[in-house]
Amino acid sequence: DGGITQSPKYLFRKEGQNVTLSCEQNLNHDAMYWYRQDPGQGLRLIYYSQIVNDFQKGDIAEGYSVSREKKESFPLTVTSAQKNPTAFYLCASSKTPDRGPGEQYFGPGTRLTVT
Amino acid sequence: GQNIDQPTEMTATEGAIVQINCTYQTSGFNGLFWYQQHAGEAPTFLSYNVLDGLEEKGRFSSFLSRSKGYSYLLLKELQMKDSASYLCAALDSNYQLIWGAGTKLIIKP
Repeated sequence: DGGITQSPKYLFRKEGQNVTLSCEQNLNHDAMYWYRQDPGQGLRLIYYSQIVNDFQKGDIAEGYSVSREKKESFPLTVTSAQKNPTAFYLCASSKTPDRGPGEQYFGPGTRLTVT
Repeated sequence: GQNIDQPTEMTATEGAIVQINCTYQTSGFNGLFWYQQHAGEAPTFLSYNVLDGLEEKGRFSSFLSRSKGYSYLLLKELQMKDSASYLCAALDSNYQLIWGAGTKLIIKP
């Protein structure tokens, strides 16, 4: 079955530590995205990538970093520079715009708590 | 700026019909999506409209008016499992999704 996996589902870290959230897809999608969702708010785009070895900042990229070394994988690192990292993080993928505006498919999410 | 507006919360009765409205302002427009999100879970795709009119898919229908910057999601024969948040998202000229904050739908027996 094709889909997107994120691990772990729940993650706890101490303030000042970097943490990496994984995202893997086997849908053969070129585009991948990272969103953050806070209670009562919509999805906010952190980073996105349309092809391997290329990615762009979204609306709230400060304090985050990503890599796209493989088509299937788009890990997100939450650095100690992110001032309010506790949130629900969602990874998504889609076909690229030149193939039509397809819907985004989401992973199950990782709930990160930093204390 | 780009903006999506939808009501924060709505309540409806099991078996009834509910309409969730969404207005959008974006730089260019390449279509509008509706997603369903149950608490603590990922959003799942419901519908996509790019042309004016109504798209029906089972108990769910979605409407778009490009000239008014307006869409609605219509849910018929409501079931308890329809209790969720419904997210409206517009695709701008750069094919980036602009998300609304979501409408929390509460279904009462």
